[in-house]
Amino acid sequence: ETGVTQTPRHLVMGMTNKKSLKCEQHLGHNAMYWYKQSAKKPLELMFVYSLEERVENNSVPSRFSPECPNSSHLFLHLHTLQPEDSALYLCASSQDRNGEKLFFGSGTQLSVL
Amino acid sequence: GQQLNQSPQSMFIQEGEDVSMNCTSSSIFNTWLWYKQDPGEGPVLLIALYKAGELTSNGRLTAQFGITRKDSFLNISASIPSDVGIYFCAGHYPGAGSYQLTFGKGTKLSVIP
Repeated sequence: ETGVTQTPRHLVMGMTNKKSLKCEQHLGHNAMYWYKQSAKKPLELMFVYSLEERVENNSVPSRFSPECPNSSHLFLHLHTLQPEDSALYLCASSQDRNGEKLFFGSGTQLSVL
Repeated sequence: GQQLNQSPQSMFIQEGEDVSMNCTSSSIFNTWLWYKQDPGEGPVLLIALYKAGELTSNGRLTAQFGITRKDSFLNISASIPSDVGIYFCAGHYPGAGSYQLTFGKGTKLSVIP
């Protein structure tokens, strides 16, 4: 139990579908993150929400839309995805501002058909 | 952005053997971290390093922050089957934005009983 819970664990969707990934942290941390993990590539930071700011990777396509209603919950809304978006999507949280000591969830394995 | 090169990409070892892996960059880093990802789970932080030359242990794991600040090493002594997984190095370099952590592609470790 890492204190960061992600649902669903697996998701298969068509390119015209709309779905959302959910993340909840029970650690009292101030920052939450979405990372993308693709085979044979480094983890890629997509979005960060903290008390002070929202940070986004400018290379992330607009078909990914984050939402952070409070410091414990984070969503990633998906629409009109492409097959190359198939990957493991990891949520993480941290207490520090450098995003170094990350606590990850188990991830959502996404397949886009 | 900066890149981190991890080697080896994968390794097979006998149970009881010691393991060494490393991570290098062409630029200096202020922080080095080592994470482990078990199959089907998110990465878990093993060791964090903050000063050049620093040597830190966590049980059978020992990591070092290279003197040049351009590399880091992770050693595992007397490997056991539960050491199986992917080990990622990560770091924070000068000039990187807040929360911007750079990850390597990982070293996949297999332990033969």
